[in-house]
Amino acid sequence: ETGVTQTPRHLVMGMTNKKSLKCEQHLGHNAMYWYKQSAKKPLELMFVYSLEERVENNSVPSRFSPECPNSSHLFLHLHTLQPEDSALYLCASSQEWGGRSDTQYFGPGTRLTVL
Amino acid sequence: KNQVEQSPQSLIILEGKNCTLQCNYTVSPFSNLRWYKQDTGRGPVSLTIMTFSENTKSNGRYTATLDADTKQSSLHITASQLSDSASYICVVSASGGSYIPTFGRGTSLIVHP
Repeated sequence: ETGVTQTPRHLVMGMTNKKSLKCEQHLGHNAMYWYKQSAKKPLELMFVYSLEERVENNSVPSRFSPECPNSSHLFLHLHTLQPEDSALYLCASSQEWGGRSDTQYFGPGTRLTVL
Repeated sequence: KNQVEQSPQSLIILEGKNCTLQCNYTVSPFSNLRWYKQDTGRGPVSLTIMTFSENTKSNGRYTATLDADTKQSSLHITASQLSDSASYICVVSASGGSYIPTFGRGTSLIVHP
């Protein structure tokens, strides 16, 4: 295991639902990330938190709302999603954001299906 | 615009054979290049990371090369095993300003017995 856990592993929701994805890292890292991975597309960086502050929002629609209550936990709150938001959502952490040789450790992902 | 192109898109080889995956990038100014392995249903796992001054990095049977002049990298897998079946993703990060990495689409490798 990489030291990054995500729950739930699978989620099916309707377009009017509100749900949250959870990520926890046990590595003592200072930076945490949310990625979206759609079929046949490259990974897309969504949000970056460094020392619990959001440092990047990569043009993500407001129906995705991140929250980082402390350096070990990261949430992604979902509301009024669209079917095209169905994808694998990956959480990652690294020692610091923007480190020259920093390695990101990924969780197993949450497979989201929006009906 | 920063881009990372990987080839081939998919590859099928027999167990025990070697293979080489390619990555071309246009990211500038260059900071580092990473190769990740992603098994089906799992998150990516880092294999190698190279900065500007490094042109070869090995991790067991995986050897990555980097030519910063031509902006090309390759990942060579020696004596392939069934467990090497996965997607291999090339990621390039820029320096100065935005640290947002640029991801390739990945090469899907299948190793047959």
